[in-house]
Amino acid sequence: SQQGEEDPQALSIQEGENATMNCSYKTSINNLQWYRQNSGRGLVHLILIRSNEREKHSGRLRVTLDTSKKSSSLLITASRAADTASYFCANNQGGKLIFGQGTELSVKP
Amino acid sequence: SAVISQKPSRDICQRGTSLTIQCQVDSQVTMMFWYRQQPGQSLTLIATANQGSEATYESGFVIDKFPISRPNLTFSTLTVSNMSPEDSSIYLCSVPNAPQSSGANVLTFGAGSRLTVL
Repeated sequence: SQQGEEDPQALSIQEGENATMNCSYKTSINNLQWYRQNSGRGLVHLILIRSNEREKHSGRLRVTLDTSKKSSSLLITASRAADTASYFCANNQGGKLIFGQGTELSVKP
Repeated sequence: SAVISQKPSRDICQRGTSLTIQCQVDSQVTMMFWYRQQPGQSLTLIATANQGSEATYESGFVIDKFPISRPNLTFSTLTVSNMSPEDSSIYLCSVPNAPQSSGANVLTFGAGSRLTVL
């Protein structure tokens, strides 16, 4: 399978805490992306980090990329109940997006 | 980014029947991607639909089971043929946000079609 691994598979935290999700991939990339999915609906793009970048911020999101370890992490700071969703990393392989297994995040009020 | 209208949003189907899912995009796009998401799983790419040519299928997916049409640059259909309970999944269409030449390949997704096969 070309799909990468994500951990944890599920994460439950309290509102206000930070949530960290990790992603590993198998092949070389030109960028890595993170998406969010609410309750089995369509995915929404959150953030993209290019292979020559090591860290990127967008609002409460912080993404890191370590190409030597073929891994990325997504940090959501000061989480809110509305952040409850599934989060997927995806890497760009030859013009196709290949998705990781996903992390199911639950933020309790 | 593009806006995608996908239908049906959900359906319950009988074993052995076929169902066609439609995706309408509000702008012209060269490539459309069809994904399957089995219960509790991640997304798996089924095929890439290019206007004016045959769809390109990924390993494990065949045209007889998942025929795709792409009659113009704003519309595509995916048919799930001769369904079995194992086909119960969410099917999603998607299009790139930007021209392929940008290299980013950020995707906009439809809301998904949740199929349950009895």
